[in-house]
Amino acid sequence: NAGVTQTPKFRILKIGQSMTLQCTQDMNHNYMYWYRQDPGMGLKLIYYSVGAGITDKGEVPNGYNVSRSTTEDFPLRLELAAPSQTSVYFCASLDQYNSPLHFGNGTRLTVT
Amino acid sequence: GQSLEQPSEVTAVEGAIVQINCTYQTSGFYGLSWYQQHDGGAPTFLSYNALDGLEETGRFSSFLSRSDSYGYLLLQELQMKDSASYFCAVRDNYGQNFVFGPGTRLSVLP
Repeated sequence: NAGVTQTPKFRILKIGQSMTLQCTQDMNHNYMYWYRQDPGMGLKLIYYSVGAGITDKGEVPNGYNVSRSTTEDFPLRLELAAPSQTSVYFCASLDQYNSPLHFGNGTRLTVT
Repeated sequence: GQSLEQPSEVTAVEGAIVQINCTYQTSGFYGLSWYQQHDGGAPTFLSYNALDGLEETGRFSSFLSRSDSYGYLLLQELQMKDSASYFCAVRDNYGQNFVFGPGTRLSVLP
């Protein structure tokens, strides 16, 4: 049982480039989340999804897009990378209200 | 709006007891959770309080007072491996969102 899997683990982008951060979970969880964590800071919610075909913005959605075509996958798209998007990105999933968030191992992104 | 406050740093010695406080202000409330994160790692779940009172899980306990919008994490018999950042988080927006506090960095000294 792999849990939440994120790829890639590390990536360096040039300003203006695009990329997709992949996230997949094999626990059949309906709820999925994307957070970013800047050094020494807490986690800020970018986007979330309560089920396939349903997504909504979190606290810091600008510069990002998501899709949720299946229960398992929740990719995060950066269209025009900016240095302010240098961060660690965590994907997480949730089964139901009183259960914990399951996090992936994160993607460390640097934009130069 | 929603906000959570935690102390930024706490230091204690091995074997001691430490309490990490969390106060929150949210538009809705569906429970307070605590997560541990070691440097370079992912957050991992520690405890969850939906109702007032104390929840105990081994060396860790968590307390919630909804009337005071306040909770704390209590770590007993501290070990070196407990050195990490600890985040409180509330469920908001009809339980769909998790909002995290800024984190408390715990350093356990020998």
